[in-house]
Amino acid sequence: DAGVIQSPRHEVTEMGQEVTLRCKPISGHNSLFWYRQTMMRGLELLIYFNNNVPIDDSGMPEDRFSAKMPNASFSTLKIQPSEPRDSAVYFCASSPDTGDGYTFGSGTRLTVV
Amino acid sequence: AQTVTQSQPEMSVQEAETVTLSCTYDTSESDYYLFWYKQPPSRQMILVIRQEAYKQQNATENRFSVNFQKAAKSFSLKISDSQLGDAAMYFCAYRSATDKLIFGTGTRLQVFP
Repeated sequence: DAGVIQSPRHEVTEMGQEVTLRCKPISGHNSLFWYRQTMMRGLELLIYFNNNVPIDDSGMPEDRFSAKMPNASFSTLKIQPSEPRDSAVYFCASSPDTGDGYTFGSGTRLTVV
Repeated sequence: AQTVTQSQPEMSVQEAETVTLSCTYDTSESDYYLFWYKQPPSRQMILVIRQEAYKQQNATENRFSVNFQKAAKSFSLKISDSQLGDAAMYFCAYRSATDKLIFGTGTRLQVFP
């Protein structure tokens, strides 16, 4: 298995632009999670899906952030419009079922200038 | 709400020696899981070890072992025979049976030759 695949690995964009981050979970994993990592706030859970349905989006910072999971093998995290304070590493992770550790992707480093 | 505390921002160890990283957590649940993740400079999040709360036996994975004290809500990681490749950020994490993974703030481990 190729693991959790995220793209792009790096993204540099100008303030106000739309940014879309992509994730392909491990086949057979029914839960998918989006995390954001910054020096100031550490690892924050933004949203998680179970069987493609959003279960908890309480970590989404504001309406500029949205996430979708149209099928079991693909998810997106969109920021529109982007702001410099959104600069961070965004991780996607998947898990087969409750109690197991998550498998993380390699992350997307987003820089908004 | 559950919380995870790592009180050691940085630790250091000499190659071949043993080091212990501390973690405490707060929860009112009886059924949960605990994890240690390693994040090297490559930023990949790597699952090191996993412990089920209902198991009294401490988990072990090669040179990595935990000291799980359920009553004290303590979950420390011991690394034996430290290697240069062990240098990384180490995150303690908590997951309830039906909920999300909550991370501590991390401990940066340096390994000196």
